Amino acid sequence: AQSVTQLDSQVPVFEEAPVELRCNYSSSVSVYLFWYVQYPNQGLQLLLKYLSGSTLVKGINGFEAEFNKSQTSFHLRKPSVHISDTAEYFCAVSDSTNAGKSTFGDGTTLTVKP
Amino acid sequence: DTGVSQNPRHKITKRGQNVTFRCDPISEHNRLYWYRQTLGQGPEFLTYFQNEAQLEKSRLLSDRFSAERPKGSFSTLEIQRTEQGDSAMYLCASSMSYGYTFGSGTRLTVV
Repeated sequence: AQSVTQLDSQVPVFEEAPVELRCNYSSSVSVYLFWYVQYPNQGLQLLLKYLSGSTLVKGINGFEAEFNKSQTSFHLRKPSVHISDTAEYFCAVSDSTNAGKSTFGDGTTLTVKP
Repeated sequence: DTGVSQNPRHKITKRGQNVTFRCDPISEHNRLYWYRQTLGQGPEFLTYFQNEAQLEKSRLLSDRFSAERPKGSFSTLEIQRTEQGDSAMYLCASSMSYGYTFGSGTRLTVV
């Protein structure tokens, strides 16, 4: 079984500042990792995913995440945020041997202030 | 490609009534998932289908919940004898490989 811990429930940041949203996972098998974003009053949207290969993955809207196997982390970063990045962000993990369910964290609310 | 469609968007029901939700996935996606989300929490897995076969169901899921995906196309999720604790957002997602496309969800309120 897998589990995901998003270390910060809320992250306030000023516009144009860098941001990091932290995610740690637990699994006894190899994993695939995902970040989803949920803008206000919208459904969840896939932001980026790590399946294999380079540990630094780039996603939409200038976000990137780095897979660190030794630290079992998959932190999400953006060098300069915009007001429009205000949303809830969810980290998720799947068992790489089973194309089935993903286990989600409880989310981090990113609030970008002017 | 019109995305994943869920109906209805909102449902208010009295405790003890049965409700059914529908999900229309992206047509070429062979996998379909149901999740439940409550305020302040991430989506919680309920069940998933590959084509018409239901391959996994959460052990936390009450027997009052049942899902079908006839002919591997749309899916329905039925909740029998609803309880107030069933109030939540019910999410459907589909995929062809890894990573989901989510619908907008059905918000269920049990009064």
